[in-house]
Amino acid sequence: GQQVMQIPQYQHVQEGEDFTTYCNSSTTLSNIQWYKQRPGGHPVFLIQLVKSGEVKKQKRLTFQFGEAKKNSSLHITATQTTDVGTYFCAAAGGTSYGKLTFGQGTILTVHP
Amino acid sequence: NAGVTQTPKFQVLKTGQSMTLQCAQDMNHEYMSWYRQDPGMGLRLIHYSVGAGITDQGEVPNGYNVSRSTTEDFPLRLLSAAPSQTSVYFCASSAGTGGYEQYFGPGTRLTVT
Repeated sequence: GQQVMQIPQYQHVQEGEDFTTYCNSSTTLSNIQWYKQRPGGHPVFLIQLVKSGEVKKQKRLTFQFGEAKKNSSLHITATQTTDVGTYFCAAAGGTSYGKLTFGQGTILTVHP
Repeated sequence: NAGVTQTPKFQVLKTGQSMTLQCAQDMNHEYMSWYRQDPGMGLRLIHYSVGAGITDQGEVPNGYNVSRSTTEDFPLRLLSAAPSQTSVYFCASSAGTGGYEQYFGPGTRLTVT
């Protein structure tokens, strides 16, 4: 089945530092979604990218979809303690027949 | 709207016991799915349904059964619990497959001893 690799698994930053998590697939993706899960909570949808080379911004968060539609990134500028949580990418495409395949997630810790 | 609801929130089972995790959504979504979340493993798809009466296996279906008799409900049954099924279980729904936002329930934390 389709696999989506997400790195890093953990990231510790000081408040105010930037943060980036990456998702990579060996197959071309139809689209990619990003979710955030606060500690003890459930995943919450952030955004979906569909077009090759697409870049979307939500305040301090910047999402990119690679030109080949095989990779994506989430970048947070000037992290805040409210950014703490696990960030997941979820991809559809290839052999997944429309089902989403989730990356392993990146756990972000922000030290005040 | 309540969104996606799950019961119970916590459950402890002994090895060999069976139980049903309940999931309901009030958004009239056709697509529902069950995931398990384990440390370092992300969210893995157990079973999914594209509509009432239609279910299919995901990535890790062994030891679990599902049925979908109504649009609203999608219960997950553990047939004979094993310690390897200790996990957090999330139910999710969406308006369609692949390109639609998934709405997750609050989760059920299951421990099998």
